[in-house]
Parts: sequence; C-alpha cells; structure tokens
Amino acid sequence: GAGVSQSPSNKVTEKGKDVELRCDPISGHTALYWYRQSLGQGLEFLIYFQGNSAPDKSGLPSDRFSAERTGGSVSTLTIQRTQQEDSAVYLCASSLLLSDTQYFGPGTRLTVL
Amino acid sequence: ELKVEQNPLFLSMQEGKNYTIYCNYSTTSDRLYWYRQDPGKSLESLFVLLSNGAVKQEGRLMASLDTKARLSTLHITAAVHDLSATYFCAVEPFALRQLTFGSGTQLTVLP
Repeated sequence: GAGVSQSPSNKVTEKGKDVELRCDPISGHTALYWYRQSLGQGLEFLIYFQGNSAPDKSGLPSDRFSAERTGGSVSTLTIQRTQQEDSAVYLCASSLLLSDTQYFGPGTRLTVL
Repeated sequence: ELKVEQNPLFLSMQEGKNYTIYCNYSTTSDRLYWYRQDPGKSLESLFVLLSNGAVKQEGRLMASLDTKARLSTLHITAAVHDLSATYFCAVEPFALRQLTFGSGTQLTVLP
C-alpha cells in the first residue's frame, strides 16, 4: 500500500517568511511523528500525535514551530518567521499504534536563505 | 537526558569482510530500532529489538540487544556493495513514545 507522503519535497524560502509542510500518514496509522535531520544536529524528535490525545510537543525547538493534525490523518508543520538555522530535512513518520515501528516519509528539504 | 552513541561514524570495508557497528545508550529503554538511509532518501526500518538477548537477522545483517550493558550491535557478514548506506540506531525510552537517534554510521563497501 501507499507509504507516508510529504509535500513539498523541496522548499526554498526567505528568512522571516512562514512555511507549511504537509504529511499524509499511512492509512489507518493512529500515531504521527515529526523529526528533523540536519548536518549539525543529526535526527531530532519534534512532536508526535496519537489519536485524539494531546500531542507531545516536547521536541519543538521554539514557539515559532507548531503542528496540527486534522481529522486524525493529515498533519501540517508550520514554521513562522523562518531563520537560517531552520534549514534541514523535515521527516514525518507514522505507526499503527504508539510504540509500533515508525515508517518514515521521503522528507521535505527546507532551505532558508 | 538520553544519549545514544554509535561507533564508528564512518566505515569503509572490502566486499566479503565482516564488521560490527555498535550502539550504546545511556538510560533504560523500551525498545531499540535500526534504520538504513540511502543518500537523498528517507529512513527504512531494518529491525526492532524488544528485550534483552533479542537477536534478529535479515540477509547479511544481524542485530542484537543487551539491555544490561545498554548496547546493541549490528553485524555485517560478507559485505556486498549494496549494503553501502548510513545506518542509524534509535532508542525509545520507557514512557516516552519518541525516538532518540544515534549519529549514524556511514558504511561504504568497496569492491
């Protein structure tokens, strides 16, 4: 079946602009996660959603970052007033339940000029 | 704070040779994962290890877990070029449903 999909695959923006990144999880998966991968910091957890529970936002690096998950499916990660240090690949993953294997999407490469 | 350390970070090996990648972590963990990443691609799940002494094998790769030593190993047997990739271990601590990743091991298998 279809895997996790993300859009756009690449995004170039100017410093100070807002960006939205989208993730479509595998159908039926209840848990959805966002990570980012950068040269300096490696792979870092950002946020996860599980069903209707309150999301775990403990990995969000600043209040410029927010995420929502509508209808228990699609998720959007929003970065406001982007900075150059936000440049990274943003990866979305989903799992059938919490603590099941996480399946990753292809990522969105964000470049902030 | 949970720390996950992989070594080596870079590994070049000849085809046909064996080698082991090590993953040490600093606190008790619920489960440990190994992922593979090809250049420009996303992460592919290889193994999930759930308990002390767990061993899983797929083709030329074998992963094991020693929870008392807080150590997992990924053993490569008779390497082939197709195994060239970056390998990450990731730990999911008790009660925290998020993964903490190691820095990755970039493996290059030379003909």
